[in-house]
Amino acid sequence: IAGITQAPTSQILAAGRRMTLRCTQDMRHNAMYWYRQDLGLGLRLIHYSNTAGTTGKGEVPDGYSVSRANTDDFPLTLASAVPSQTSVYFCASSVSGEASADTQYFGPGTRLTVL
Amino acid sequence: AQSVSQHNHHVILSEAASLELGCNYSYGGTVNLFWYVQYPGQHLQLLLKYFSGDPLVKGIKGFEAEFIKSKFSFNLRKPSVQWSDTAEYFCAVNVGPYNTNAGKSTFGDGTTLTVKP
Repeated sequence: IAGITQAPTSQILAAGRRMTLRCTQDMRHNAMYWYRQDLGLGLRLIHYSNTAGTTGKGEVPDGYSVSRANTDDFPLTLASAVPSQTSVYFCASSVSGEASADTQYFGPGTRLTVL
Repeated sequence: AQSVSQHNHHVILSEAASLELGCNYSYGGTVNLFWYVQYPGQHLQLLLKYFSGDPLVKGIKGFEAEFIKSKFSFNLRKPSVQWSDTAEYFCAVNVGPYNTNAGKSTFGDGTTLTVKP
């Protein structure tokens, strides 16, 4: 069982380019999340999805979009990358987006550098 | 909105020293509290969590945390650290018990623990 996979592992991107970070889980979890991790700021929620077909904005959604066409996949798209989006991006999932006791399971992360 | 504060950004200890990492949250209602750990080069993973019952919870690798509701705190402890405990530790809170956004976690800034052999 792989859990959560993310691709690519790392990427260097020119400013203004479009980029999609991929996230796939095989645990049949209903809820999925995208966080960015920045030094001194911890993990901040970008977007989330409580179930396939629904998405919501987190703490720092600007410049990012997501889709949830099925249970397993939750891609994150940067329509026009800017240097401030340089970060490590983590995808996570939990059984339910509506049960606050659920543990979140994290992917290995994508290190993105925007020049 | 809820927030989480971790008081120590970087802690350096020698092996066998005792550890306590502070975590305070701000939210007046029902909460569920988590500590996650990120070992160098690895995924974040759950260390322990509190959701009900005994406020003293025990997790993996000898860690424990105590939920003190009156202090809005959930401090992480370990009586004797090992070099392998070197990692970044994150406290997180979910507000509950059950609502549309209950699964979303608010994380603290993290504490980097370095254990010297």
